[in-house]
Amino acid sequence: QLRLQESGPGLVKPSETLSLTCAVSGGSISSDSHYWAWIRQPPGKGLDWIASIFYGGSTYFHPSLKSRVTISVDTSTNQFSLKLHSAAAADTAIYYCARQLRGSSGYFDFWGQGSLVTVSS
Amino acid sequence: QSVLTQPPSVSGAPGQRVTISCTGSTSNIGALYDVHWYQQLPGKAPKLLIYGNDKRPSGVPGRFSGSRSGTSASLAITGLQAEDEGNYYCQSYDSSLTGPDRVFGGGTKLTVL
Repeated sequence: QLRLQESGPGLVKPSETLSLTCAVSGGSISSDSHYWAWIRQPPGKGLDWIASIFYGGSTYFHPSLKSRVTISVDTSTNQFSLKLHSAAAADTAIYYCARQLRGSSGYFDFWGQGSLVTVSS
Repeated sequence: QSVLTQPPSVSGAPGQRVTISCTGSTSNIGALYDVHWYQQLPGKAPKLLIYGNDKRPSGVPGRFSGSRSGTSASLAITGLQAEDEGNYYCQSYDSSLTGPDRVFGGGTKLTVL
């Protein structure tokens, strides 16, 4: 069974970079059928897709976050990562990594447990 | 303001049937892009409940069903159980170039009375 696990600091200072890694186990990140995504959920609110990456390096981003987001994949360690630059209080959220089916119909079929990141001084 | 609109809350007694609507537009559901549904139980990560409008992943009970018509979609839950209490989100693809292409509804809180 595929398993995803987020890791990273739980507290980030304003204007600094929020960094998270998602470790994938029970399957290969080098799948031709899937992208790997980051989704966040502010406390008490709904889900917002942030960005997705293919193992070959293709990426796409939420337009409002594109200028601040870097996403990368490491096939040797079966991990992918998110960096959100110039973090602000509004970026405080639970960050989930997820597997996404490739294509316009792509849904998120496996999710990590989530990592709460608070942006505060 | 979410691209897909869901009612903030629905409720029902154990054993009853409830439906949750998801209203979109001609750039997402109305353009025949698939709708997917997620269940998020309290304190847990979202879980895929319905994909491709009406398909259930392995392990999801038949009490859950989905449908799509026009610019809307619906999730139906029959034989409501206490363990169904949580938040439900619809998701689709949006072809508008001005916003994200993976869009979620704002979520619906299901309360089992």
